[in-house]
Amino acid sequence: NFMLTQPHSVSESPGKTVTFSCTRSSGNIASNYVQWYQQRPGSAPTTVIYDDNRRPSGVPDRFSGSIDTSSNSASLTISGLKTEDEADYYCQSYDTSTVVFGGGTKLTVL
Amino acid sequence: QVQLVESGGGVVQPGRSLRLSCAASGFTFSSYRMHWVRQAPGKGLEWVAIISFEGSNEYYADSVKGRFTISRDNSKNTVYLQMNSLRAEDTAVYYCAKGGTGWTNDDWGQGTLVTVSS
Repeated sequence: NFMLTQPHSVSESPGKTVTFSCTRSSGNIASNYVQWYQQRPGSAPTTVIYDDNRRPSGVPDRFSGSIDTSSNSASLTISGLKTEDEADYYCQSYDTSTVVFGGGTKLTVL
Repeated sequence: QVQLVESGGGVVQPGRSLRLSCAASGFTFSSYRMHWVRQAPGKGLEWVAIISFEGSNEYYADSVKGRFTISRDNSKNTVYLQMNSLRAEDTAVYYCAKGGTGWTNDDWGQGTLVTVSS
């Protein structure tokens, strides 16, 4: 099995841009899609990026996703930060017979 | 729109069993894999299990293999999680989630809390 490693926390100011990383420990990051979920306190997760870089309808274009095979990692970028973006963000991917979540990154917007 | 409503959570003693249900609506249930994912208090998300479209294939996290069973009834648009030999470390909010591309999730239910305590 592989692991997905995310930074524990990130802080940034409103209006700025923040990028979260998600590094895959083994296996090729491009072999299976990466998904990103937002979870606000007390709420269920919601999908903000699917299939590496696609946005569900209703998610603003301030959210974007990408993968980098050279670092075997995926990234979620949020531009024009708003206080409502304050939440936990989880990456997810899969392999043969298993699904793996990253440990999550807590975003503070202050 | 997609709706996933979990039920069956509660307080249960260690070693006992519990069955969770997730009623789905707003999409063609039999065309999608379904997942269970859990979140212990103050912790991150942990994948639990996945079931194929027709229910013939199931896969589990190592932490629950041999104790939990995922199943589905496509005539009732419902997915289940039978949890046996429960342990304190199984205490969590359990979410069902609709499968997306590959083995990802897209839509999630609101979750049901399972507390394993004597």
